[in-house]
Amino acid sequence: TQLLEQSPQFLSIQEGENLTVYCNSSSVFSSLQWYRQEPGEGPVLLVTVVTGGEVKKLKRLTFQFGDARKDSSLHITAAQPGDTGLYLCAGAFVSSYKLIFGSGTRLLVRP
Amino acid sequence: SQTIHQWPATLVQPVGSPLSLECTVEGTSNPNLYWYRQAAGRGLQLLFYSVGIGQISSEVPQNLSASRPQDRQFILSSKKLLLSDSGFYLCAWSLGQGPLHFGNGTRLTVT
Repeated sequence: TQLLEQSPQFLSIQEGENLTVYCNSSSVFSSLQWYRQEPGEGPVLLVTVVTGGEVKKLKRLTFQFGDARKDSSLHITAAQPGDTGLYLCAGAFVSSYKLIFGSGTRLLVRP
Repeated sequence: SQTIHQWPATLVQPVGSPLSLECTVEGTSNPNLYWYRQAAGRGLQLLFYSVGIGQISSEVPQNLSASRPQDRQFILSSKKLLLSDSGFYLCAWSLGQGPLHFGNGTRLTVT
């Protein structure tokens, strides 16, 4: 079974705090994507990581792809209420157009 | 620019009734097309994906089916809906192994 496990499932923090979301699998991915979703809308791409060990930064968000390309993390520094939403990781398999999503992390940043 | 249209936005159907959800993409050719289903606040479950006209890959055994009658048209159907078919249905497109671009979803309630 191809599974992507995300943790934590839910996170409620105060504005200004830091947080990390994890995405883990036993499968190897050709790339891993992170999306953010607002209620009632489709997910929107944040970043794609391709190379094992790759680190990408998007303002206060830092994404890392594991060396073995089986896991990834998203770190948010000094979280703001505008960061509230559902964060989803998604893995693409080698030689396939199939994209499998993680179970999601719901983030609530309290002002 | 590319756009994706998905309709209807909401749908309430009785158990045993048929279903047809339509998705069309504009501004691109030969996209990969996807149908996902999402439980409330959770990750996305891949239902079907298509890499070309008439080519459908089914990921989860169920009473749903998909068809791609035209290059940029993807249809999700059911002959008889079950209560368990309720959920948020998302259509998406991609080029190659690029990121997914989602529609705004259809919220289906089976009563």
